[in-house]
Amino acid sequence: GNSVTQMEGPVTLSEEAFLTINCTYTATGYPSLFWYVQYPGEGLQLLLKATKADDKGSNKGFEATYRKETTSFHLEKGSVQVSDSAVYFCALNTGFQKLVFGTGTRLLVSP
Amino acid sequence: GAGVSQSPSNKVTEKGKDVELRCDPISGHTALYWYRQSLGQGLEFLIYFQGNSAPDKSGLPSDRFSAERTGGSVSTLTIQRTQQEDSAVYLCASSLTTGVGSYGYTFGSGTRLTVV
Repeated sequence: GNSVTQMEGPVTLSEEAFLTINCTYTATGYPSLFWYVQYPGEGLQLLLKATKADDKGSNKGFEATYRKETTSFHLEKGSVQVSDSAVYFCALNTGFQKLVFGTGTRLLVSP
Repeated sequence: GAGVSQSPSNKVTEKGKDVELRCDPISGHTALYWYRQSLGQGLEFLIYFQGNSAPDKSGLPSDRFSAERTGGSVSTLTIQRTQQEDSAVYLCASSLTTGVGSYGYTFGSGTRLTVV
Protein backbone atom coordinates (compact mmCIF):
# COMPACT_ATOMS: atom_id res chain seq x y z
CA GLY A 1 0.00 0.00 0.00
CA ASN A 2 0.93 3.65 -0.08
CA SER A 3 2.95 4.97 2.84
CA VAL A 4 5.22 7.77 3.96
CA THR A 5 8.17 7.40 6.31
CA GLN A 6 9.68 10.39 8.07
CA MET A 7 12.69 10.68 10.31
CA GLU A 8 11.84 10.61 13.97
CA GLY A 9 12.14 13.75 15.98
CA PRO A 10 12.60 15.92 17.69
CA VAL A 11 15.18 17.60 15.54
CA THR A 12 16.96 20.18 17.67
CA LEU A 13 18.96 22.93 15.98
CA SER A 14 20.45 26.28 16.78
CA GLU A 15 19.28 29.34 14.88
CA GLU A 16 20.90 29.71 11.43
CA ALA A 17 21.76 26.00 11.22
CA PHE A 18 21.03 23.93 8.12
CA LEU A 19 17.93 21.76 8.25
CA THR A 20 17.17 18.45 6.61
CA ILE A 21 14.09 16.38 7.43
CA ASN A 22 14.06 13.10 5.58
CA CYS A 23 10.96 11.72 3.89
CA THR A 24 10.70 8.59 1.79
CA TYR A 25 7.60 7.07 0.30
CA THR A 26 6.11 3.89 -1.11
CA ALA A 27 3.41 4.33 -3.71
CA THR A 28 1.89 2.83 -6.79
CA GLY A 29 2.06 5.06 -9.80
CA TYR A 30 3.41 8.57 -9.67
CA PRO A 31 2.24 10.41 -6.58
CA SER A 32 2.14 14.09 -5.83
CA LEU A 33 4.18 14.96 -2.75
CA PHE A 34 3.57 17.57 -0.08
CA TRP A 35 5.06 19.06 3.04
CA TYR A 36 2.69 20.49 5.64
CA VAL A 37 3.69 22.48 8.72
CA GLN A 38 1.81 22.65 12.01
CA TYR A 39 2.69 25.50 14.35
CA PRO A 40 1.80 25.11 18.03
CA GLY A 41 -1.94 25.20 18.63
CA GLU A 42 -2.81 25.45 14.96
CA GLY A 43 -3.98 23.24 12.13
CA LEU A 44 -1.77 22.07 9.28
CA GLN A 45 -0.73 24.48 6.56
CA LEU A 46 0.55 23.51 3.14
CA LEU A 47 4.23 24.45 2.99
CA LEU A 48 5.23 23.22 -0.45
CA LYS A 49 4.47 20.58 -3.05
CA ALA A 50 5.75 18.81 -6.13
CA THR A 51 3.60 16.98 -8.60
CA LYS A 52 6.13 15.15 -10.77
CA ALA A 53 9.62 13.74 -10.68
CA ASP A 54 12.49 16.25 -10.47
CA ASP A 55 10.13 19.08 -9.53
CA LYS A 56 11.35 21.28 -6.71
CA GLY A 57 8.82 22.77 -4.36
CA SER A 58 9.83 25.86 -2.42
CA ASN A 59 8.30 28.31 0.03
CA LYS A 60 9.52 30.53 2.90
CA GLY A 61 13.12 29.42 2.32
CA PHE A 62 12.22 25.72 2.49
CA GLU A 63 12.85 23.44 -0.46
CA ALA A 64 12.18 19.82 -1.37
CA THR A 65 12.98 17.95 -4.59
CA TYR A 66 10.90 15.02 -5.84
CA ARG A 67 13.42 12.21 -6.38
CA LYS A 68 11.77 9.29 -8.11
CA GLU A 69 14.93 7.18 -8.20
CA THR A 70 15.26 7.27 -4.42
CA THR A 71 11.51 7.71 -3.69
CA SER A 72 12.34 10.67 -1.49
CA PHE A 73 11.17 14.20 -0.83
CA HIS A 74 13.53 15.56 1.82
CA LEU A 75 12.80 18.98 3.29
CA GLU A 76 15.70 21.45 3.53
CA LYS A 77 16.32 24.97 4.69
CA GLY A 78 19.64 26.73 4.63
CA SER A 79 19.23 28.80 7.80
CA VAL A 80 16.48 28.04 10.30
CA GLN A 81 14.88 30.57 12.61
CA VAL A 82 13.26 30.16 16.00
CA SER A 83 9.92 30.81 14.30
CA ASP A 84 10.38 27.64 12.22
CA SER A 85 9.83 25.54 15.34
CA ALA A 86 6.85 23.36 14.43
CA VAL A 87 5.86 19.86 13.40
CA TYR A 88 6.45 19.01 9.76
CA PHE A 89 4.41 16.36 7.91
CA CYS A 90 5.29 14.75 4.61
CA ALA A 91 2.34 13.46 2.57
CA LEU A 92 1.51 11.90 -0.77
CA ASN A 93 -1.46 11.60 -3.11
CA THR A 94 -1.76 8.97 -5.82
CA GLY A 95 -4.73 10.38 -7.64
CA PHE A 96 -7.37 9.28 -5.21
CA GLN A 97 -8.85 11.84 -2.85
CA LYS A 98 -7.07 10.96 0.36
CA LEU A 99 -3.67 12.22 1.33
CA VAL A 100 -1.43 9.75 3.10
CA PHE A 101 0.58 11.40 5.86
CA GLY A 102 3.79 10.54 7.63
CA THR A 103 3.92 10.60 11.41
CA GLY A 104 5.40 14.10 11.56
CA THR A 105 8.78 15.42 12.69
CA ARG A 106 9.04 18.01 15.41
CA LEU A 107 11.63 20.74 14.86
CA LEU A 108 12.91 22.77 17.79
CA VAL A 109 15.09 25.77 17.03
CA SER A 110 16.89 27.54 19.86
CA PRO A 111 18.27 31.09 19.79
CA GLY B 1 -15.96 31.12 3.81
CA ALA B 2 -12.35 32.14 3.39
CA GLY B 3 -10.99 29.18 5.31
CA VAL B 4 -12.06 25.97 6.98
CA SER B 5 -13.82 26.80 10.22
CA GLN B 6 -14.10 24.38 13.13
CA SER B 7 -16.03 24.73 16.34
CA PRO B 8 -15.65 24.58 19.20
CA SER B 9 -11.91 25.16 19.35
CA ASN B 10 -11.75 23.41 22.72
CA LYS B 11 -14.14 20.97 24.34
CA VAL B 12 -13.92 19.35 27.74
CA THR B 13 -16.45 16.63 28.40
CA GLU B 14 -17.10 13.98 30.99
CA LYS B 15 -16.54 10.36 30.18
CA GLY B 16 -19.73 8.80 28.84
CA LYS B 17 -21.18 12.00 27.39
CA ASP B 18 -21.81 12.58 23.69
CA VAL B 19 -20.05 15.38 21.81
CA GLU B 20 -20.56 17.04 18.45
CA LEU B 21 -17.77 18.72 16.52
CA ARG B 22 -18.54 21.01 13.63
CA CYS B 23 -16.69 21.79 10.42
CA ASP B 24 -17.56 24.45 7.86
CA PRO B 25 -15.45 23.90 4.71
CA ILE B 26 -14.29 26.40 2.14
CA SER B 27 -17.14 27.43 -0.13
CA GLY B 28 -17.02 25.40 -3.33
CA HIS B 29 -14.92 22.58 -1.90
CA THR B 30 -16.82 19.38 -2.52
CA ALA B 31 -14.53 17.07 -0.57
CA LEU B 32 -14.36 17.10 3.23
CA TYR B 33 -12.14 15.03 5.52
CA TRP B 34 -11.88 14.36 9.23
CA TYR B 35 -8.60 13.35 10.86
CA ARG B 36 -7.63 12.72 14.46
CA GLN B 37 -4.31 13.69 15.97
CA SER B 38 -3.56 12.19 19.35
CA LEU B 39 -0.90 13.73 21.58
CA GLY B 40 2.48 13.35 19.96
CA GLN B 41 1.07 11.19 17.18
CA GLY B 42 0.58 11.57 13.46
CA LEU B 43 -2.66 12.03 11.61
CA GLU B 44 -5.25 9.28 11.71
CA PHE B 45 -7.79 9.36 8.88
CA LEU B 46 -11.38 9.04 10.08
CA ILE B 47 -13.87 9.75 7.30
CA TYR B 48 -14.12 11.39 3.89
CA PHE B 49 -17.11 12.94 2.08
CA GLN B 50 -17.18 13.62 -1.64
CA GLY B 51 -20.20 15.44 -3.00
CA ASN B 52 -23.32 13.27 -2.87
CA SER B 53 -21.40 9.98 -2.87
CA ALA B 54 -21.49 7.60 0.05
CA PRO B 55 -18.79 8.63 2.56
CA ASP B 56 -15.60 6.63 3.04
CA LYS B 57 -15.93 5.60 6.69
CA SER B 58 -13.01 3.21 6.67
CA GLY B 59 -11.08 5.12 9.32
CA LEU B 60 -13.74 5.41 12.02
CA PRO B 61 -12.30 3.58 15.06
CA SER B 62 -15.59 2.31 16.48
CA ASP B 63 -19.35 2.54 16.06
CA ARG B 64 -19.37 5.30 18.69
CA PHE B 65 -18.07 7.59 15.95
CA SER B 66 -20.29 8.92 13.20
CA ALA B 67 -20.35 11.89 10.87
CA GLU B 68 -22.73 13.55 8.53
CA ARG B 69 -22.53 16.29 5.98
CA THR B 70 -25.70 18.24 5.32
CA GLY B 71 -26.34 19.91 1.99
CA GLY B 72 -22.86 19.13 0.80
CA SER B 73 -21.39 21.75 3.11
CA VAL B 74 -21.21 21.74 6.91
CA SER B 75 -20.18 18.49 8.57
CA THR B 76 -20.70 17.25 12.12
CA LEU B 77 -18.57 14.55 13.73
CA THR B 78 -20.37 12.90 16.65
CA ILE B 79 -18.71 10.81 19.32
CA GLN B 80 -21.09 8.91 21.58
CA ARG B 81 -20.31 7.73 25.08
CA THR B 82 -16.89 9.38 25.02
CA GLN B 83 -13.93 7.62 26.55
CA GLN B 84 -10.61 8.98 27.73
CA GLU B 85 -8.79 7.54 24.73
CA ASP B 86 -10.94 9.79 22.51
CA SER B 87 -9.00 12.80 23.82
CA ALA B 88 -7.24 14.28 20.80
CA VAL B 89 -7.28 17.13 18.34
CA TYR B 90 -9.86 16.56 15.63
CA LEU B 91 -8.90 18.18 12.35
CA CYS B 92 -11.17 18.89 9.42
CA ALA B 93 -9.96 19.63 5.90
CA SER B 94 -11.56 20.34 2.56
CA SER B 95 -10.46 20.26 -1.05
CA LEU B 96 -11.65 20.68 -4.58
CA THR B 97 -12.88 17.49 -6.22
CA THR B 98 -10.12 17.31 -8.76
CA GLY B 99 -7.49 19.32 -6.99
CA VAL B 100 -6.01 17.11 -4.30
CA GLY B 101 -3.06 16.01 -6.36
CA SER B 102 -2.24 19.57 -7.30
CA TYR B 103 -3.30 21.56 -4.27
CA GLY B 104 -3.64 19.23 -1.35
CA TYR B 105 -6.05 20.01 1.44
CA THR B 106 -6.89 23.13 3.42
CA PHE B 107 -7.11 22.36 7.12
CA GLY B 108 -9.06 24.01 9.89
CA SER B 109 -7.45 24.85 13.22
CA GLY B 110 -8.94 21.81 14.89
CA THR B 111 -11.03 21.02 17.94
CA ARG B 112 -9.12 19.91 21.00
CA LEU B 113 -11.26 17.36 22.81
CA THR B 114 -10.46 16.42 26.39
CA VAL B 115 -12.43 13.64 28.06
CA VAL B 116 -12.18 13.70 31.85
